[in-house]
Amino acid sequence: KQEVTQIPAALSVPEGENLVLNCSFTDSAIYNLQWFRQDPGKGLTSLLLIQSSQREQTSGRLNASLDKSSGRSTLYIAASQPGDSATYLCAVRRNSGGGADGLTFGKGTHLIIQP
Amino acid sequence: GAGVSQSPSNKVTEKGKDVELRCDPISGHTALYWYRQSLGQGLEFLIYFQGNSAPDKSGLPSDRFSAERTGGSVSTLTIQRTQQEDSAVYLCASSLVAGVNTEAFFGQGTRLTVV
Repeated sequence: KQEVTQIPAALSVPEGENLVLNCSFTDSAIYNLQWFRQDPGKGLTSLLLIQSSQREQTSGRLNASLDKSSGRSTLYIAASQPGDSATYLCAVRRNSGGGADGLTFGKGTHLIIQP
Repeated sequence: GAGVSQSPSNKVTEKGKDVELRCDPISGHTALYWYRQSLGQGLEFLIYFQGNSAPDKSGLPSDRFSAERTGGSVSTLTIQRTQQEDSAVYLCASSLVAGVNTEAFFGQGTRLTVV
């Protein structure tokens, strides 16, 4: 059974700092890995999708890497801003052979950027 | 539609009553997923549809839970004889197809409270 772990569970840093969020997964047979952000009381917003054949994706100040063989992904946030405060979720879509099922999520990293 | 739409956004129901939650996926998306997010827990996969069929129902927590999808579009998640432990946010997502490297888009969720 696929398990996804996110470290740290919570993080509070001053505005302007660069930071790294970590995600690890136990089963390397994945279709893709997706990073989301969730604001309080809201749904999920997709940030980056990394295909199983890719090693990284970039969008603005965000960069996500994937090392499938070791079961790890990192989300790098450059020059953090108070608006980045949210819960960041990592999710993998398992390759179930007969067709992909849903995403397996980590429990998230709750990020606070102090003004 | 422009995004995944879920209704109602909030539902309070008495223990023992049945509830129906609705999801309208993005137009043209053939894959649809249901998840549950309980307080302090990660997102839990419930079921996914490819078209109108549900290849994987393994995540449904009990036989009180059922889901259907008609016309390859709208899906309904039904919970019979609700219990207090059913209280959670129920999230729906859709993607262009299942089983390939496509991105999942989430609705805002339905917050269910069983009293």
